[in-house]
Formats: sequence, C-alpha cells, structure tokens
Amino acid sequence: EVQLLESGGGLVEPGGSLRLSCAASGFTFSTYTMSWVRQAPGKGLEWVSRIRGSGSNIGYADSVKGRFTISRDNSKNTLYLQMNSLRAEDTAIYYCAKGVHVAVTGPDYWGRGTLVTVSS
Amino acid sequence: EIVMTQTPLSLSVTPGQPASISCKSSQSLLYSDGKTYLYWYLQKPGQSPQLLIYEVSNRFSGVPDRFSGSGSGTDFTLKISRVEADDVGVYYCMQSMQLPLTFGGGTKVEIK
Repeated sequence: EVQLLESGGGLVEPGGSLRLSCAASGFTFSTYTMSWVRQAPGKGLEWVSRIRGSGSNIGYADSVKGRFTISRDNSKNTLYLQMNSLRAEDTAIYYCAKGVHVAVTGPDYWGRGTLVTVSS
Repeated sequence: EIVMTQTPLSLSVTPGQPASISCKSSQSLLYSDGKTYLYWYLQKPGQSPQLLIYEVSNRFSGVPDRFSGSGSGTDFTLKISRVEADDVGVYYCMQSMQLPLTFGGGTKVEIK
C-alpha cells in the first residue's frame, strides 16, 4: 500500500524558514517523480515543485522559484521541501504526491498534507 | 503557462442522476509521445485529493466505472453516470503536459 506522510509544518514568521519532509513507503521510491502541491485555506490546488526519481530535472512554480528547494534522499525514501524567505501568501496545506507512472509528473497518490502558517 | 478552465463552478445533483463537468485548456495537452496529460481529481471534504482519471480516460485503481473521462486536444469532460452521496466534494482537472502543472478552479458537487 502506497503511503506518503508529510511532516515539518507549523507556524513561522514572515521571512523565516521551514523544511518539510515526506516519508514514502509501499512503492519503489527512487523510480518515481515526486511533487509538492499546496492549497491555501479555502482555495484551489497549486503545484509547487517536482523532482525526478534520480533527483534531476527539477521544476518550480514561479511563485516559489529562488525561495524553495526540492530534494530527495532515495536511501531514506524521503522527499523534502526547504522553504526560505516565507511570505504570508505561502500559508497553505502542503501535500506531497507521487507520479502516476515512472517519469510522469501527474500525481496519483497524495499524502494527508502538513499545514504551514506564515504569520507574525 | 497553460490555463485550465472548468465549468460549472458548482453542481447540485439528485442521487441516481448523471453529472458532467467540462474542462478546457488554453493549449493542446497532446504531448510528443502521443499521450494527452489530462487528469481528474476529487477532493472530498476534509481529505486530500484522490485521482479518478489519468490521461483523459483511464480510470485509476479502485475508481467505480460510474466515472468516465473523455475529450481530446483542449476540451475534456468528466461524467458521472449515476451520482451517489459519496461523490460530493470538489472536482479538479489538471494538466501535466508542461510545467508548471496547472489545475482548473474546481467544481463543487453537492447532493440535492
């Protein structure tokens, strides 16, 4: 059974940093593209970033480019999102999601999400 | 960036009746590999999104055959043949033909 468990969310002041983690199990983590997708309170879904299974071919939404860094540790089956220079508009539930096929970005399984609140 | 436009914004459906949601993309979602990267998700209240349909018309594992997807190029449709109470939530279309991945604004489905 595929499981994705996010952690690391919380309350942070504007300009601060957080590191999100996503522990994966139930599939061969190293072969799948993984993404982060966020959802602001009461709003729709916004893709944030993706990384291929090998750790290459990384992409970011313009809204986070230069501030967020996606990475993965295939030996630990874990996906990360380092978030710096956080802004109020980054407040959202952050989901990690697994690509539906190897080398395909479109997600099939999603985690339950972790809430990030940026406020003073 | 590819803009995804969903209609209607909301839908109120009598159980057992059909429902249909439209999704239009600002450019073709047909990739050079011959596949069309259009997905449909349902986000039930208080839950994470769950995949219903991938690549226009392929039902994901465990998705009832009441759900079907169709379309090509820039015009796509999700159909529910007989709506059940468990189908309530917000439906999103999404494209992964190119980065950034983009979602439609969502269609909220309620039961009458």
